[in-house]
Amino acid sequence: SQQGEEDPQALSIQEGENATMNCSYKTSINNLQWYRQNSGRGLVHLILIRSNEREKHSGRLRVTLDTSKKSSSLLITASRAADTASYFCATDDGSSGSARQLTFGSGTQLTVLP
Amino acid sequence: GAVVSQHPSWVICKSGTSVKIECRSLDFQATTMFWYRQFPKQSLMLMATSNEGSKATYEQGVEKDKFLINHASLTLSTLTVTSAHPEDSSFYICSAGGAGPQHFGDGTRLSIL
Repeated sequence: SQQGEEDPQALSIQEGENATMNCSYKTSINNLQWYRQNSGRGLVHLILIRSNEREKHSGRLRVTLDTSKKSSSLLITASRAADTASYFCATDDGSSGSARQLTFGSGTQLTVLP
Repeated sequence: GAVVSQHPSWVICKSGTSVKIECRSLDFQATTMFWYRQFPKQSLMLMATSNEGSKATYEQGVEKDKFLINHASLTLSTLTVTSAHPEDSSFYICSAGGAGPQHFGDGTRLSIL
């Protein structure tokens, strides 16, 4: 499976600023998910957006999806030092049955400076 | 919420050793689990799909005789790295879940000397 691309690869911001990460993918999708990974740990699910949705919010997170451009963005508002982590988008193309195989993007390393 | 437990979290062993990594779904049944490999500062690469009661499905380029997967129950999948060599050193992560979000283990860092 081919990975999607994320940009930027790395992002460094001051606490309180907003962080925007972008994801592009190659195939048609059933849904797109964003995950967070702290250094040396597993992934934590943040938010899922379905192919028929254009925008979704969860707390300080805002995700958009443009299926015509095969792209998504994750916005973290009012960032905190604790938001420092790697962020990955992952696509589910709906082809793998009841348990979904995901294809991950290349990831964005976010550093929030206190 | 759903929890996936992965054990061990860290393994250091000599070249030629076989290493078993366990992935357990603690509060739900998982007929399918996924095994990923992650190199430093890179994304997750799917290695194989573990299916309860049947053979695993391996991604292209992943040696099934090298990475043995057993999914004997609805809550446990194991990945055995057989005769590990330094190039097998990596971070291995499992996940489980139905349609929707996947739940990930905390990963196993494998270092082969």
